[in-house]
Amino acid sequence: GQNIDQPTEMTATEGAIVQINCTYQTSGFNGLFWYQQHAGEAPTFLSYNVLDGLEEKGRFSSFLSRSKGYSYLLLKELQMKDSASYLCAVLDSNYQLIWGAGTKLIIKP
Amino acid sequence: GAVVSQHPSRVICKSGTSVKIECRSLDFQATTMFWYRQFPKQSLMLMATSNEGSKATYEQGVEKDKFLINHASLTLSTLTVTSAHPEDSSFYICSVVSGNPGYNEQFFGPGTRLTVL
Repeated sequence: GQNIDQPTEMTATEGAIVQINCTYQTSGFNGLFWYQQHAGEAPTFLSYNVLDGLEEKGRFSSFLSRSKGYSYLLLKELQMKDSASYLCAVLDSNYQLIWGAGTKLIIKP
Repeated sequence: GAVVSQHPSRVICKSGTSVKIECRSLDFQATTMFWYRQFPKQSLMLMATSNEGSKATYEQGVEKDKFLINHASLTLSTLTVTSAHPEDSSFYICSVVSGNPGYNEQFFGPGTRLTVL
């Protein structure tokens, strides 16, 4: 079956760095997305990786290793507004998005 | 990216009634829209793929006669929850796929929170 694993919850301190990991086993691979979702709101796009390596976009970076079925989202200089759920999703061979359950990130002052 | 709206944002209804949720792509012609459902503290669950001018494709376990989808134009898809029951209470989100070949980013609507009493 298809599976996306990410930690359920993480806690970090304002101003610090946090890395959210995602491992996947899917039928085919056409890219991996990271989305941010605040409570009661729809997800918003953060990043898209289809080739191995690190993609940096401001305070957020996303890394992909296709051979390991692994990605991480790195958040730097954490702000209180970064408290949200972070969803990892993989586009499989049928171009269907397979979603992880999300990682709830709690930022403490 | 595409701008997607949903209406209504919140709806409360009595058990047994039907509720229609609209999803509009405001600046993008979407041949394909997706409907998701999200229960509290759970991930998004794809319900169906809505195709303009043809029948929707439903995921396994989703009753097509209960969740009616109509994609009558390139900018509008509707989801009707028929004979709603309390267990249908959920957050319903639609999305459209970007038109760039090989890049399937989804743009989400703001969601509709349905509460069935």
